[in-house]
Amino acid sequence: RKEVEQDPGPFNVPEGATVAFNCTYSNSASQSFFWYRQDCRKEPKLLMSVYSSGNEDGRFTAQLNRASQYISLLIRDSKLSDSATYLCVVTRSNDYKLSFGAGTTVTVRA
Amino acid sequence: SAVISQKPSRDICQRGTSLTIQCQVDSQVTMMFWYRQQPGQSLTLIATANQGSEATYESGFVIDKFPISRPNLTFSTLTVSNMSPEDSSIYLCSVPSGSYNTDTQYFGPGTRLTVL
Repeated sequence: RKEVEQDPGPFNVPEGATVAFNCTYSNSASQSFFWYRQDCRKEPKLLMSVYSSGNEDGRFTAQLNRASQYISLLIRDSKLSDSATYLCVVTRSNDYKLSFGAGTTVTVRA
Repeated sequence: SAVISQKPSRDICQRGTSLTIQCQVDSQVTMMFWYRQQPGQSLTLIATANQGSEATYESGFVIDKFPISRPNLTFSTLTVSNMSPEDSSIYLCSVPSGSYNTDTQYFGPGTRLTVL
């Protein structure tokens, strides 16, 4: 079983729509969780950390469910510029290095 | 945030040859990481480059294939040796964003390698 699994999508949504997707992780001892964004042919960049209580950053909301071992990302009022691949990232419990999901592709259309 | 540069940005190489990728950071960092991202795949950690000691390799990666140098706290190289088409990938270096192991990481722009 992969350490981090994501629905690859693609999620094709119109501008202004809300889109949400999850990722699951296998190691219950994982400590830290992140969402990264990767644009085509670019390096991954941190979008936001994910906290146990859930957190919001503008139009982006992240949730963590430790009991079910999943993380979610919700994007409200989608913009064309939100089109990207969103990578779910979890720290490994033994050495705190990062494990990456394969990414969920979101395409926002005009 | 750290500013990270990589050279070359891309290269096309013949099988059996080797390519050395450079990673330069604008500040001193204890750890630097090397990742591979194969087409359509996730990032996979190759090794951790430690200054003053041998690199630490992940399962499935060996020093003979991916030798790493870390001569100082701002620079590292990764060599992809005896290349085959399966080595075609994007290679990225990264550094932690802070002092703690649970911090997230900043990534370099990547080196896009194609092996013919």
